[in-house]
Amino acid sequence: EIVLTQSPGTLSLSPGERATLSCRASQSFSSSFLAWYQQKPGQAPRLLVYGTSSRATGIPDRFSGSGSGRVFTLIISRLEPEDSAVYYCQQYGRSLTFGGGTKVEIK
Amino acid sequence: QVQLQESGPGLVKPSETLSLTCSVSGGSISSNYWGWIRQPPGKGLEWIGYIYYSGSTNYNPSLKSRVTISVDTSKNQLSLDLSSVTAADTAVYYCASVMPGFYAMDVWGQGTTVTVSS
Repeated sequence: EIVLTQSPGTLSLSPGERATLSCRASQSFSSSFLAWYQQKPGQAPRLLVYGTSSRATGIPDRFSGSGSGRVFTLIISRLEPEDSAVYYCQQYGRSLTFGGGTKVEIK
Repeated sequence: QVQLQESGPGLVKPSETLSLTCSVSGGSISSNYWGWIRQPPGKGLEWIGYIYYSGSTNYNPSLKSRVTISVDTSKNQLSLDLSSVTAADTAVYYCASVMPGFYAMDVWGQGTTVTVSS
């Protein structure tokens, strides 16, 4: 099983700032199988990025994903108050796993 | 736009079987992969498994011995059975559509809370 480790655990930033979220895997896998989700309290997760860098339908371009091999990144270029949420990365190898999440707080 | 709605008992007794249904509207279940994911209170997401409409499945190895996912194409529904439940199975359970080729979950149900308690 591939283990995904997300860092930092919590990110506290001001509106307009740039957020960089990291997702590190215990072993390499195809970049086609890396996705990012946003989850707000009491809501289901929402797909932000799939295939490492493709934005899902309706996702603003301030969200961007990159990476390969074992290291992947989600960048939120200009934080807005509504970006306050927990963000999860997810991979699919022979099995599917999620990272532990990064909580983004807007000051 | 496809919409998903989970349903089932909110309370299950220990050692019994948890059974949930996910109704698919706005699209056919016979065209995609479909998955189940759960989230214990205050914790992260855990993948349970997915199924292709033809019936082929892939389960989380840690749950495989207790999980059965099935589809009913006539009702446009998928189902989850989790046997021998314990308090550790208390969670919000989500169904989702799975993007073929990417295995990302692009449409989610709102989730249903299941508590395991006597």
